[in-house]
Amino acid sequence: DGGITQSPKYLFRKEGQNVTLSCEQNLNHDAMYWYRQDPGQGLRLIYYSQIVNDFQKGDIAEGYSVSREKKESFPLTVTSAQKNPTAFYLCASSGITRSNQPQHFGDGTRLSIL
Amino acid sequence: AQSVTQLDSHVSVSEGTPVLLRCNYSSSYSPSLFWYVQHPNKGLQLLLKYTSAATLVKGINGFEAEFKKSETSFHLTKPSAHMSDAAEYFCVVSDQDTGFQKLVFGTGTRLLVSP
Repeated sequence: DGGITQSPKYLFRKEGQNVTLSCEQNLNHDAMYWYRQDPGQGLRLIYYSQIVNDFQKGDIAEGYSVSREKKESFPLTVTSAQKNPTAFYLCASSGITRSNQPQHFGDGTRLSIL
Repeated sequence: AQSVTQLDSHVSVSEGTPVLLRCNYSSSYSPSLFWYVQHPNKGLQLLLKYTSAATLVKGINGFEAEFKKSETSFHLTKPSAHMSDAAEYFCVVSDQDTGFQKLVFGTGTRLLVSP
């Protein structure tokens, strides 16, 4: 079955440490997205990529970095500059970005501070 | 810019009774609207989408939503709640002002279903 795989499911970060969240999709989608979800809030966009080797900042990009070296993969690094990283992180993908095609989501990674 | 407002943070129903989750949107264009469902510690699953075709949209698991332009609403309904419907529901609008498919999420409505 096609879908989006996020790993790990749970992740713990120490002070001053960078951590990387994995996102892989086999839907042959061009566009990929990273969202952050906090309790009682909707999802907020961190970064998005419409094509390989290109990505753009979303609404809350500070303290995060991404890469898009392959169409299938869009890893997110939470750097030590992100002072409040505890959240649920969701990766999504979609087809043609200017259309009304829905985004498909992975099952998320929950990041906590040790 | 587009926005959505989910009018209730929590909705409680009994199993077998109707469900109504309310959503109002703000958009300067004819919007694309979606409802997603999220079960605990899971990703979001698409329930249904409105894309300027029929105003009454049928989705999965017996859910449907009606687009009312005059009221700028896109409320989600189901005739009879099931225990498995207990989850968080998000109303979402696609922002046409940007050069990509930016989704704007409501803050969510938690649906509680009692036996």
